[in-house]
Amino acid sequence: QKEVEQNSGPLSVPEGAIASLNCTYSDRVSQSFFWYRQYSGKSPELIMSIYSNGDKEDGRFTAQLNKASQYVSLLIRDSQPSDSATYLCAVNPGKDFGNEKLTFGTGTRLTIIP
Amino acid sequence: EAGVTQFPSHSVIEKGQTVTLRCDPISGHDNLYWYRRVMGKEIKFLLHFVKESKQDESGMPNNRFLAERTGGTYSTLKVQPAELEDSGVYFCASSQLGSGSNSPLHFGNGTRLTVT
Repeated sequence: QKEVEQNSGPLSVPEGAIASLNCTYSDRVSQSFFWYRQYSGKSPELIMSIYSNGDKEDGRFTAQLNKASQYVSLLIRDSQPSDSATYLCAVNPGKDFGNEKLTFGTGTRLTIIP
Repeated sequence: EAGVTQFPSHSVIEKGQTVTLRCDPISGHDNLYWYRRVMGKEIKFLLHFVKESKQDESGMPNNRFLAERTGGTYSTLKVQPAELEDSGVYFCASSQLGSGSNSPLHFGNGTRLTVT
C-alpha cells in the first residue's frame, strides 16, 4: 500500500462545475496535510494546508479532512480553465505539525473543459 | 521577492559521469530541502538542511549522492557517478524556520536530469 494514494486521473470537469479531488493516507498519526498545484514544467505551488478534522475554505478552494477515515479531499468550486493542472496531495508523516518531510501522492491530473 | 531558483533546468549526462545541481533558496529561508521525482512515481524527500546543517538525510538513495550547503545559503547536490536510475526531476524547496502554514514550502522549477 502506498503511503499517500491519489487517483491519477485524468479528471475532466466542465467549466463552472465543482472539481473533487481525493487522497487517502496510511500513517494514522499524521497531523499535517497539504494540497499543491503543479502546472506542467513548473514548480509545485501550495494552495491549501489543513490540520484539523472538518472543512477549511479559501476562496474557491475547500479542503476536507477526516482523520478517522484517513482521507483528505480538495474541492474547487466554479472551476476555471486555469485550474487545469496536476494536484498533489502531501502528508507530513508522524505526529509533528509542519512540512519538514512531506510524503507526496503521485498527483491527479485535472482538466477543466470550457 | 525572488523565488527558489535551480540550475541547470535540464542536464543530460552519460552513465558514470558527475553532475552537480544547484539551488538558491529564497533569501532568509533557513530550511532547504531536496526532493526527487522519478518518472511515473511520486515526489520523494531526499534531505533537509537547517542553515548549513543536515537535519535529515534519510531519503538520500545511496552514497553516490552528496549534498552540501556551505555558509547556509545556496545548496548543491552532486551525483557521482551517475546511474540510469538517477534520471528524474530534482526539486529544491525552502521555507522559513517554523512549522505549518506559517512557513509554507516554496519549490523551485526543478532540474530535469537525464542519464543515458
